[in-house]
Amino acid sequence: EAEVAQSPRYKITEKSQAVAFWCDPISGHATLYWYRQILGQGPELLVQFQDESVVDDSQLPKDRFSAERLKGVDSTLKIQPAELGDSAMYLCASSLHGPDAFFGQGTRLTVV
Amino acid sequence: TQLLEQSPQFLSIQEGENLTVYCNSSSVFSSLQWYRQEPGEGPVLLVTVVTGGEVKKLKRLTFQFGDARKDSSLHITAAQPGDTGLYLCAGALEVNRDDKIIFGKGTRLHILP
Repeated sequence: EAEVAQSPRYKITEKSQAVAFWCDPISGHATLYWYRQILGQGPELLVQFQDESVVDDSQLPKDRFSAERLKGVDSTLKIQPAELGDSAMYLCASSLHGPDAFFGQGTRLTVV
Repeated sequence: TQLLEQSPQFLSIQEGENLTVYCNSSSVFSSLQWYRQEPGEGPVLLVTVVTGGEVKKLKRLTFQFGDARKDSSLHITAAQPGDTGLYLCAGALEVNRDDKIIFGKGTRLHILP
């Protein structure tokens, strides 16, 4: 069964360091989403790609966060410098068309 | 601003009981999804409802989309411990021909054996 792959599964980093997450969507899925989920909350959209183009990054803290999907397939989300408040689950999802999204297992980030 | 309000926030009931959780908004959605999420995992899509008034059934789970496409409910019949999890609703807003998906904060359901 096709899955969204994310790595690493867990990441501990010190504040002010740089951290990067990787996502490989389901093959053929043009839309890719990065979400942040704080414990006890629902996922919050950070950025949405359609192929290699950003269609929504209005909630992405652009002073420290960046995302790219250069070839319209896999994607990287970077945080530099990391802050304590960035500790959360970072979820990647993809969809073929429409809003039915399939999520990866996420990367649990802890900033110390 | 929280566009999607889910209630209750927490629910703990005995195995075999019925329950309903709600997802409400003042916005009109082109579609609405329900997901279930277990600790440490990503959300798993359960159902998508598209038409106002639509009802979909998935075994013991019944999903309904409000007539005005602003709200939805999830009813579970004869709850089982395996139903335990975080239930998230997500609404799709069409923005410039792209769907922007907004999530609620979820209902954390615990079924006691």
